[in-house]
Amino acid sequence: DVKVTQSSRYLVKRTGEKVFLECVQDMDHENMFWYRQDPGLGLRLIYFSYDVKMKEKGDIPEGYSVSREKKERFSLILESASTNQTSMYLCASSLWGGTNYGYTFGSGTRLTVV
Amino acid sequence: QQQVKQSPQSLIVQKGGISIINCAYENTAFDYFPWYQQFPGKGPALLIAIRPDVSEKKEGRFTISFNKSAKQFSLHIMDSQPGDSATYFCAANTQGGSEKLVFGKGTKLTVNP
Repeated sequence: DVKVTQSSRYLVKRTGEKVFLECVQDMDHENMFWYRQDPGLGLRLIYFSYDVKMKEKGDIPEGYSVSREKKERFSLILESASTNQTSMYLCASSLWGGTNYGYTFGSGTRLTVV
Repeated sequence: QQQVKQSPQSLIVQKGGISIINCAYENTAFDYFPWYQQFPGKGPALLIAIRPDVSEKKEGRFTISFNKSAKQFSLHIMDSQPGDSATYFCAANTQGGSEKLVFGKGTKLTVNP
């Protein structure tokens, strides 16, 4: 089974801190995604990467950046955490040209910014 | 701009009943329509998917119905069970286009025993 592993299930950070969320997949998938999930708003795409060192902005990139130095790892960075970034963050991966085979999601990181 | 509209936002069904979740889309270039199921504390997982060359796809108790002319598709869960209680997301994409799925906002299904 494809596994997408997010390094932390729960995080509590202070306003203004720089926060790193890590995601690793083990099936050589080209595409990786970061979403945030909020009640009533569904899944909103933050950033997307289709190759190492490549990235593309999603629908809500403001306040976030990403890094993909290796194919299996995709990091989401909150440059200066704010309370409105309190949310569930989901990482996903898929094969290139393979959205018809679906995304594989991690279990999520619930981030609280205080 | 939301390109996939999902309803209802929440749904309560009795055990053994039929759960129906509806989605409507705007982009006629969409040609792949998956449904994802998410249990509490877990990430979404692919449940079932359909392409527009068929009007219905069935996998066990789960059926997708697709109406191309109306630009609508729906998920039917027959003989709903408490274990089906989860959040369901519809999505859409274009093969050969962007790798990004467009998701609906989700439906929280509760099946009472």
